[in-house]
Amino acid sequence: DAGVTQSPTHLIKTRGQQVTLRCSPKSGHDTVSWYQQALGQGPQFIFQYYEEEERQRGNFPDRFSGHQFPNYSSELNVNALLLGDSALYLCASSWGATGKGYNEQFFGPGTRLTVL
Amino acid sequence: QQQVKQSPQSLIVQKGGISIINCAYENTAFDYFPWYQQFPGKGPALLIAIRPDVSEKKEGRFTISFNKSAKQFSLHIMDSQPGDSATYFCAASIKAAGNKLTFGGGTRVLVKP
Repeated sequence: DAGVTQSPTHLIKTRGQQVTLRCSPKSGHDTVSWYQQALGQGPQFIFQYYEEEERQRGNFPDRFSGHQFPNYSSELNVNALLLGDSALYLCASSWGATGKGYNEQFFGPGTRLTVL
Repeated sequence: QQQVKQSPQSLIVQKGGISIINCAYENTAFDYFPWYQQFPGKGPALLIAIRPDVSEKKEGRFTISFNKSAKQFSLHIMDSQPGDSATYFCAASIKAAGNKLTFGGGTRVLVKP
C-alpha cells in the first residue's frame, strides 16, 4: 500500500500564475481533504471532496478550487497566485465523509509551493 | 478566530524525561481530539486520539489527558527519546461536520541525548 501520494514534491511559480497540485488517496479511501500549512504553523483546512463533490470549505477565497475524479484522486487548483500562497499543501484521505464515524485522516508528504 | 490554542511553541527535554504539550479549545461541539506528529519534509501522522467521553487514553509512551469542563487536553510523552524530536499538533473535529480538522499552532519538541 503506497499510502497517500502527492505530486509534484516542489513547485516554484511567480505571482499571478496558476498551479495544479495532485493527490492520490490511500487504497480503500474515498474522501480527500486539502490543507494549507504555512511555515511554522498548523495546517489550515481548505476543502473536502467526497463523491466528486465539494462537501465542506474552509475560509479560503474562490481562487482555490478543486476536483475529484471517479478513481477518488483529486486536484487542487490555485489561480492568480499571491506571495502569501507560499506554503506546504497537504492532502489527506479517509473513508466516508458522512459523519458516521471518527474516520482517521492519512496525510501525504505534501507539495511545497513557492511563489516569487 | 483560532479555535484551538496550543502551548508551548517549543520544548527541550532530556532523554528519559517527560514532554507535556497543552491545548485549549473554544467550540464545545468538537467531539474528536487527535494528536499528530510531523517530521521535517513529511506529512502529519496520527499519534493518538481521544473522544470527550473519556478522561484519559494511553498508548505506549503517549498519554492524552482530557478535561471537558475546562475545554483543555494535553499530550504527555513519557521516557522521551531522541527519535521523538518532531513537531506535534493537537487538533479537533466534529463528527457530524465530516471530520474537518482544526489544528493548533504546533509544538516543536527537541529531545537531547
